[in-house]
Amino acid sequence: EVQLVESGGGLVQPGGSLRLSCAASGFTFSSYWMHWVRQAPGKGLVWLSRIHSDGSSTTYADSVKGRFTISRDNAKNTLYLQMNSLRVEDTAVYYCARDDGSSYRPTNWFDPWGQGTLVTVSS
Amino acid sequence: IQMTQSPSTLSAFVGDRVTISCRASQTIHTWLAWYQQKPGKAPKLLIYDASRLETGVPSRFSGSGSGTEFTLTISSLQPDDFATYYCQQYNDYSLLTFGPGTKVEIK
Repeated sequence: EVQLVESGGGLVQPGGSLRLSCAASGFTFSSYWMHWVRQAPGKGLVWLSRIHSDGSSTTYADSVKGRFTISRDNAKNTLYLQMNSLRVEDTAVYYCARDDGSSYRPTNWFDPWGQGTLVTVSS
Repeated sequence: IQMTQSPSTLSAFVGDRVTISCRASQTIHTWLAWYQQKPGKAPKLLIYDASRLETGVPSRFSGSGSGTEFTLTISSLQPDDFATYYCQQYNDYSLLTFGPGTKVEIK
């Protein structure tokens, strides 16, 4: 069974840092591009970042560019999101999601998604 | 690319035919996906490439449209279908964007 399990969320003060992890199982992790998407409480979905299957290429939404870093460890089947300079408006559930394409060409739609991890930025 | 959806909330009976609209601010050809999200759960892919049904998704779900206008149709609403539905464009792969969502409620 394909499974994505996020961890690392929690309460952090404004200006602080947090690293999220997404453990993948049930598929060949190194063959898939991966994404991070977030959802503020009661709000819609916002795409944040994408990473190539081998980690060689990354893309970010402007809202997090320069503050967040996506990375992966294919030996550990794990995706990461390093979040620095956190703001109150970064409060959200953060989802990792697998791209539905191949290792060399992403589709840029998401299937499946993890269950999400809640990040709360507050003083 | 900005995505809009209408209506924002929809009330319907079990068995009703339900239509949700999604509009893009510029042409996205057929580069559109639809997701279903239930409260407290992760989104689930229903349709990609505007009209292709994801494996395992019931055939009562269908998608149509191209260019800037798209539709998700549920032919006969079932109790399990009460959820929020999002469209997502991937024509601009440098910034993937979602619509604001349409909540389908029980009438």
